[in-house]
Amino acid sequence: DAKTTQPTSMDCAEGRAANLPCNHSTISGNEYVYWYRQIHSQGPQYIIHGLKNNETNEMASLIITEDRKSSTLILPHATLRDTAVYYCIVRVERSGNTGKLIFGQGTTLQVKP
Amino acid sequence: DAGVTQSPTHLIKTRGQQVTLRCSPKSGHDTVSWYQQALGQGPQFIFQYYEEEERQRGNFPDRFSGHQFPNYSSELNVNALLLGDSALYLCASSSSHGSWGYTFGSGTRLTVV
Repeated sequence: DAKTTQPTSMDCAEGRAANLPCNHSTISGNEYVYWYRQIHSQGPQYIIHGLKNNETNEMASLIITEDRKSSTLILPHATLRDTAVYYCIVRVERSGNTGKLIFGQGTTLQVKP
Repeated sequence: DAGVTQSPTHLIKTRGQQVTLRCSPKSGHDTVSWYQQALGQGPQFIFQYYEEEERQRGNFPDRFSGHQFPNYSSELNVNALLLGDSALYLCASSSSHGSWGYTFGSGTRLTVV
């Protein structure tokens, strides 16, 4: 079973920041938080991941609470192309990239003009 | 730089038939994972191949089998197809060494009638 809880759907106005929450209250100390998104009819696309510090890359920012029980993915200036299903996943990062990704239902983000 | 390539993109089969799906991993990747995604659901892990062996398996029956070739490409075979096997089948590749990252293909849409 997925170890994360996300809202089923969210709307965001184009050009505004999209803030997608995720609860992972049972996260272990060695588990990372990963975010993927899946645009209709495509495979999931990696966005960002982090352990306990906030992370930022060219796509998004990841804010993890101090107790690590929840996190927020921030798309700073959402565009219509950001409309997708966003998945929050927790897993142990290990050398060799072995292991599976356990997807939940994800959050369907609809960016509106 | 070619990403993950899956073939065919779409497939229609009759209940009881057998099907083979193919995946070529991203250049530099040597590990292949397969996922099944039913309509409206998140991807579910089927199994992972590394060094031509099945390393991990999800909760799927023995009708689902796979193979990895020396060039790291992989096949997913499903025997005795059921209507419930209709889904998007995703292949994800990764490297057993070096930086973390899973790259997904766009999937094969299988319809069983």
